[in-house]
Amino acid sequence: SQKIEQNSEALNIQEGKTATLTCNYTNYSPAYLQWYRQDPGRGPVFLLLIRENEKEKRKERLKVTFDTTLKQSLFHITASQPADSATYLCALGPQTGANNLFFGTGTRLTVIP
Amino acid sequence: DARVTQTPRHKVTEMGQEVTMRCQPILGHNTVFWYRQTMMQGLELLAYFRNRAPLDDSGMPKDRFSAEMPDATLATLKIQPSEPRDSAVYFCASDPGTSGHRYFGPGTRLTVT
Repeated sequence: SQKIEQNSEALNIQEGKTATLTCNYTNYSPAYLQWYRQDPGRGPVFLLLIRENEKEKRKERLKVTFDTTLKQSLFHITASQPADSATYLCALGPQTGANNLFFGTGTRLTVIP
Repeated sequence: DARVTQTPRHKVTEMGQEVTMRCQPILGHNTVFWYRQTMMQGLELLAYFRNRAPLDDSGMPKDRFSAEMPDATLATLKIQPSEPRDSAVYFCASDPGTSGHRYFGPGTRLTVT
């Protein structure tokens, strides 16, 4: 079955630096990959979607890359701010048919002022 | 600002009791999901519906869990009888079928003692 690993449970970074979160997967060939943000006591909120034929996607201070050879996605937050502190989840989307998304367990990011 | 709503937000119950969680998806979204989130397992899909028809409930323990969608504005998840291992946060999410991503509700935090 598919396995998703997000680089670490927790990541601390100084304000203003670039945060880089990693999502690695095995035994799966996703058609797309999504990143969500989750704040304590709330549901995940969609941030970005990148398809298997796309190398990179940007949205404001966010950048996602997708390497299907390495089976890895990197999620970057540039000029990080304390308000970026949250848990970030990656999710793999299926090629066809089923509508399931397989979620990683997330990385908790803390941006230190 | 359309949102998925869930009730109750918190539920504490004793083992053996019936628990019913409710979800109102975003109007016009034709796909509704139930997820369970725990620290150990992360987000797991329990069941989902498209146009109110159940499409996949393979993630649910069938002997005690049931999911229904009586109408387009209401989805329910029932646990009977509840057990301590059911303690988790249960999320409902909806999808318009075109965006490729989920809109999550705020979750129901269930504690079974």
